Amino acid sequence: GIQVEQSPPDLILQEGANSTLRCNFSDSVNNLQWFHQNPWGQLINLFYIPSGTKQNGRLSATTVATERYSLLYISSSQTTDSGVYFCAVVGGYQKVTFGIGTKLQVIP
Amino acid sequence: NAGVMQNPRHLVRRRGQEARLRCSPMKGHSHVYWYRQLPEEGLKFMVYLQKENIIDESGMPKERFSAEFPKEGPSILRIQQVVRGDSAAYFCASSPLRGPDEQFFGPGTRLTVL
Repeated sequence: GIQVEQSPPDLILQEGANSTLRCNFSDSVNNLQWFHQNPWGQLINLFYIPSGTKQNGRLSATTVATERYSLLYISSSQTTDSGVYFCAVVGGYQKVTFGIGTKLQVIP
Repeated sequence: NAGVMQNPRHLVRRRGQEARLRCSPMKGHSHVYWYRQLPEEGLKFMVYLQKENIIDESGMPKERFSAEFPKEGPSILRIQQVVRGDSAAYFCASSPLRGPDEQFFGPGTRLTVL
């Protein structure tokens, strides 16, 4: 099956700092999503981004499908950004494979 | 438009009991997926269902676990004779179309086996 690697595994940021999270995948995919799992365990859709670039407020994402990676940018981080960020890719039959996540802690 | 609904949100069972987890997809969605998340881990795919059909159950344990999505009513994930290792968060997601499409997740059911 498809392998998904996320980096870094852990990240501590000062409030206001910017960061880039990376997701590499081992094979061509039909789609890719970024999720934020907040400290209460809820999964929040951030981006559905099989290719190209999207922006939503302080967050943006870029997927380069031909090179099998995606990047999630967080600018001017806030404490509410804390949690785990997952990259999930879809191969055949819509089976979703999740990376192990990047655990982000934003400190005031 | 209500999101994906899951209930119960928390479920406690003793070893050997049965656990039934329910998932109602978003309105207009006919595809349902179940995932399991062990503590400090990512989500693992379990099963993909359409109404009255299991499309892909390659992630389901071979014993004790079953899933259905009847013509009427929610999708059910059933775990028989639960063991402590079944303690996890179980998430359901739904999508509207076959083929690559965005999935929307429910709040999850946290199962604790005593």
